[in-house]
Amino acid sequence: AQSVTQPDIHITVSEGASLELRCNYSYGATPYLFWYVQSPGQGLQLLLKYFSGDTLVQGIKGFEAEFKRSQSSFNLRKPSVHWSDAAEYFCAVGASGTASKLTFGTGTRLQVTL
Amino acid sequence: GAVVSQHPSWVICKSGTSVKIECRSLDFQATTMFWYRQFPKQSLMLMATSNEGSKATYEQGVEKDKFLINHASLTLSTLTVTSAHPEDSSFYICNPLWAYNEQFFGPGTRLTVL
Repeated sequence: AQSVTQPDIHITVSEGASLELRCNYSYGATPYLFWYVQSPGQGLQLLLKYFSGDTLVQGIKGFEAEFKRSQSSFNLRKPSVHWSDAAEYFCAVGASGTASKLTFGTGTRLQVTL
Repeated sequence: GAVVSQHPSWVICKSGTSVKIECRSLDFQATTMFWYRQFPKQSLMLMATSNEGSKATYEQGVEKDKFLINHASLTLSTLTVTSAHPEDSSFYICNPLWAYNEQFFGPGTRLTVL
């Protein structure tokens, strides 16, 4: 069974500082990996996804993530955080090659201080 | 990206009543629909998977007689919470599957049962 771990429940960074949110997955084959952002009371917005190819994936809002198979990780990064980035971030994994449900991590709440 | 709508966006009901939540894929046809729920400050958990024209498959611990799913067409799926109780208060999110590598989520429905 697939699983996702987001070790950090809550992270606080200063505006303008860099950000890295950690995500580790467990899956037997090559996974489909996603990062979503959720503002309070809102639905999910897809930031980026990885299926194959280049292991460094660019997403919206200046986010990027790097797939590292050897570490079973898919960490999300942003070089300079903006106050509007404060939200909940979810990493998710899906089975490759099939119409598949997603398994979500527990989420990381990002707080941005001015 | 594809457009998914949910109605209502929020609903408050009395304990013992039933609530129907609609999910529509506005510009694509979805043969498979996933329904998730999210309790406050928690992650998304898959409730059930439905395929158009067939019975839904429920995840362990989800009562199929309580959460009725109808996926009668390729653009509409409904989730009915029957005899709702306060512990059913949650954020319900639909996820119509367009392609195995495209994941679009509805904006969610917040249910509060008094």
